Amino acid sequence: GENVEQHPSTLSVQEGDSAVIKCTYSDSASNYFPWYKQELGKGPQLIIDIRSNVGEKKDQRIAVTLNKTAKHFSLHITETQPEDSAVYFCAASINNDMRFGAGTRLTVKP
Amino acid sequence: GAVVSQHPSRVICKSGTSVKIECRSLDFQATTMFWYRQFPKKSLMLMATSNEGSKATYEQGVEKDKFLINHASLTLSTLTVTSAHPEDSSFYICSASHPGQGADTQYFGPGTRLTVL
Repeated sequence: GENVEQHPSTLSVQEGDSAVIKCTYSDSASNYFPWYKQELGKGPQLIIDIRSNVGEKKDQRIAVTLNKTAKHFSLHITETQPEDSAVYFCAASINNDMRFGAGTRLTVKP
Repeated sequence: GAVVSQHPSRVICKSGTSVKIECRSLDFQATTMFWYRQFPKKSLMLMATSNEGSKATYEQGVEKDKFLINHASLTLSTLTVTSAHPEDSSFYICSASHPGQGADTQYFGPGTRLTVL
């Protein structure tokens, strides 16, 4: 089955700096890669996603890149703000079978 | 929008009782809904996949007689934890597949925190 690895497990940045979270997946058949933000005590919120026919996608301060050959994808957050502090999960999916990474706890220091 | 609600948000029950959690897609019809379990500071673990009008598909290791799932309509799925025990205490989260937003797109509910005394 699919195995998703996520790094780093914790990330602390200064407000205004960029943050990068990386994930790798094992099943080359996976074709959908979402990123979720989860705040304490809440459900995950979809913040951006990318499909296997696209290499990069951007939405304001958030961007995701996908390297199908290497089977890795990354989340980039620019100009970080304290409200970006949360746990971020990557996932890889095929036919609605979605597997999650272990999560990255991002802390943005004011 | 793509809003998924869950009810209740938190529940405390006595050991041996059953608890029902509802998951609703509020502004779209979801042919497929998913139930996840999350332990503190851990990732989401898929418990089961439910399709409207058919039996749920459970992940390996998940007891189908203990975690009863019903997907009676395109906007409602329920998870019933039967004969709950303290080890069932966890954060249960549902998600719904939004067919209008592309294959595999899932939107999550706010979660239900279950505490079994």
